[in-house]
Amino acid sequence: DQQVKQNSPSLSVQEGRISILNCDYTNSMFDYFLWYKKYPAEGPTFLISISSIKDKNEDGRFTVFLNKSAKHLSLHIVPSQPGDSAVYFCAASTLSSGSARQLTFGSGTQLTVLP
Amino acid sequence: EAGVAQSPRYKIIEKRQSVAFWCNPISGHATLYWYQQILGQGPKLLIQFQNNGVVDDSQLPKDRFSAERLKGVDSTLKIQPAKLEDSAVYLCASSLLGGEQFFGPGTRLTVL
Repeated sequence: DQQVKQNSPSLSVQEGRISILNCDYTNSMFDYFLWYKKYPAEGPTFLISISSIKDKNEDGRFTVFLNKSAKHLSLHIVPSQPGDSAVYFCAASTLSSGSARQLTFGSGTQLTVLP
Repeated sequence: EAGVAQSPRYKIIEKRQSVAFWCNPISGHATLYWYQQILGQGPKLLIQFQNNGVVDDSQLPKDRFSAERLKGVDSTLKIQPAKLEDSAVYLCASSLLGGEQFFGPGTRLTVL
């Protein structure tokens, strides 16, 4: 039972254009959403997050949009750069006991930015 | 600030053998996580510690996997005996309570 789904395994975009990565979730208890970026042979690194009380969060070239009614979030990268080429994981979070958060990850989307 | 350290980075074993992975979290991080990432999938939480106590181990296959976090700092994850389907990258992450998770580089395990 996949609670977080990334239906596009891969995406190719031209340098300078917009990259849009999508993510869907099923569990309405998720209250915090994150995007992680992963290069080969490295662990995932945090990119941007959004609380369920917001519908948009922006950080430089990266913007995350949340549509709670559709249980959908997306990551926009504008403009895309070759260094953005990586696997992007969507993750959703709930509070576990003791105020520690647990993450449920999607399967990832390989983004390739072509020069 | 030093990141999350893991060793070894790579391990190849035969099925039914035992293996252990080590993780040293970021200093001061009370919460430590072990994830399993199978090729083509996202990381899946195996076990979560808060200090040296287990918060959640519901997805840990306890017949063969075990983990401990002595003194609330370093942690080890053990598999005994290993199966072919255990081939994966094992990621360790740590965080301040309720904070962002920082991941180590992972240990790539191949079971032949």
